[in-house]
Amino acid sequence: SSELTQDPAVSVALGQTVRITCQGDSLRSYYASWYQQKPGQAPVIVIYNKNNRPSGIPDRFSGSSSGNTASLTITGAQAEDEADYYCCSRDSSGKNLVFGGGTKLTVL
Amino acid sequence: EVQLVESGGGLVQPGRSLRLSCTTSRFTFGDYGMSWVRQAPGKGLEWLGFIRSKPYGGTTEYAASVKGRFTISRDDSKSIAYLQMNSLETEDTAIYYCTRDSSGGGWYPEAFDIWGQGTMVTVSS
Repeated sequence: SSELTQDPAVSVALGQTVRITCQGDSLRSYYASWYQQKPGQAPVIVIYNKNNRPSGIPDRFSGSSSGNTASLTITGAQAEDEADYYCCSRDSSGKNLVFGGGTKLTVL
Repeated sequence: EVQLVESGGGLVQPGRSLRLSCTTSRFTFGDYGMSWVRQAPGKGLEWLGFIRSKPYGGTTEYAASVKGRFTISRDDSKSIAYLQMNSLETEDTAIYYCTRDSSGGGWYPEAFDIWGQGTMVTVSS
């Protein structure tokens, strides 16, 4: 089982705000990164070091963290945001990385 | 554009070995740590291991699930990372992705800022 826990599925109405969460003890000590994966494609990083966006990622994507929970927020979700989202952070050893189980986002 | 291209996947029998390659371009490969990540059909992402850049020793870290069976190496003169997989099991069937570490060089992996397109490995008799 993963050391990072995500809700399997979340839905959001077009144009509304959605928060995808990731829980794990290691998040008290380490930042999370977030990845978007669309069907048949490789994942793409959308947030790293808690709230840094790579170039080309829309500013509607943001990250935050509190206690043992990291969050990815999409403010004004678009149809093209429908995808699987994975969080990732260090494991309890601090040496390795571990992914959450993924959240399937549906934009209604 | 920075590029990672995996190759070497295919159909292999259980118990056999396979070596994947990750050919990179348009960045200074030697300055970066690299990781391999896999995704079984219909499943989530699994980090497999990391190789440090040479300034950090070029040493490796592995997930417990593959430690002792999988080996990551690098050839900085060719800008290529490798994943040697031994004693393959049917559970190793997956798409294997090569990734670049977002922190550049470093002692431990941070995040994956560039991904290859992946190469499919099918372990079956």
